[in-house]
Amino acid sequence: QLQLQESGPGLVKPSETLSLTCTVSGGSIYSTKYYWGWIRQPPGGGLEWIGSVYYSGITYHNPSLKSRVSISVDMSKNQFSLNLTSVTAADTAVYYCARRSVWDLFDIWGQGTMVTASS
Amino acid sequence: QSVLTQPPSVSGAPGQTVNISCTGTSSNIGAGFDVHWYQQLPGTVPKVLIYGNTNRPSGVPDRFSGSKSDTSASLAITGLQTEDEADYYCQSYDSSLSGSVFGGGTKLTVL
Repeated sequence: QLQLQESGPGLVKPSETLSLTCTVSGGSIYSTKYYWGWIRQPPGGGLEWIGSVYYSGITYHNPSLKSRVSISVDMSKNQFSLNLTSVTAADTAVYYCARRSVWDLFDIWGQGTMVTASS
Repeated sequence: QSVLTQPPSVSGAPGQTVNISCTGTSSNIGAGFDVHWYQQLPGTVPKVLIYGNTNRPSGVPDRFSGSKSDTSASLAITGLQTEDEADYYCQSYDSSLSGSVFGGGTKLTVL
């Protein structure tokens, strides 16, 4: 049973960088069938796709965040990571990692991790 | 402002039917990209409810059904039950943005 688990600081200061890691267990991140993605949800708000990464390192980002987002993959650790620079209070959200199938379907999600941008 | 437009809320009495719309454009739903629906129960992780416009994962009751036409999609829930109270999100791919897009979400209240 494939599982995803987010990890990282729950509090980030404004203007600093938010860094999260998603660890994949019960399966390999090396797959030609899937991308691996990040999605966030602000308190009381809706879902927003942040970006996705392929095992080879190819990435796609939400244009609204593109200049601040970087996503990478570490196959040796079966992990993929998110860096979001210059955070503001608007980046406060629950951050989910998820597996994205060829149908662009996010079929398996992590439990999510709350990140607060505050001094 | 979400790329896909959903009504903020819908409601219905137990046993009734509700429909949740998801309106897109020619660069996403209208371009032929699949629409998926997620159900998020209070305090939980979103889960796949409908995938590929009309398909239900195993374990999802057949009270839930999806459809798609032109630039819109719709989720129908028949025989409403109190446990259906949740937020529902549609999602597709957008060729102009080269990425995934979500609707703003619809809160279903079972009266």
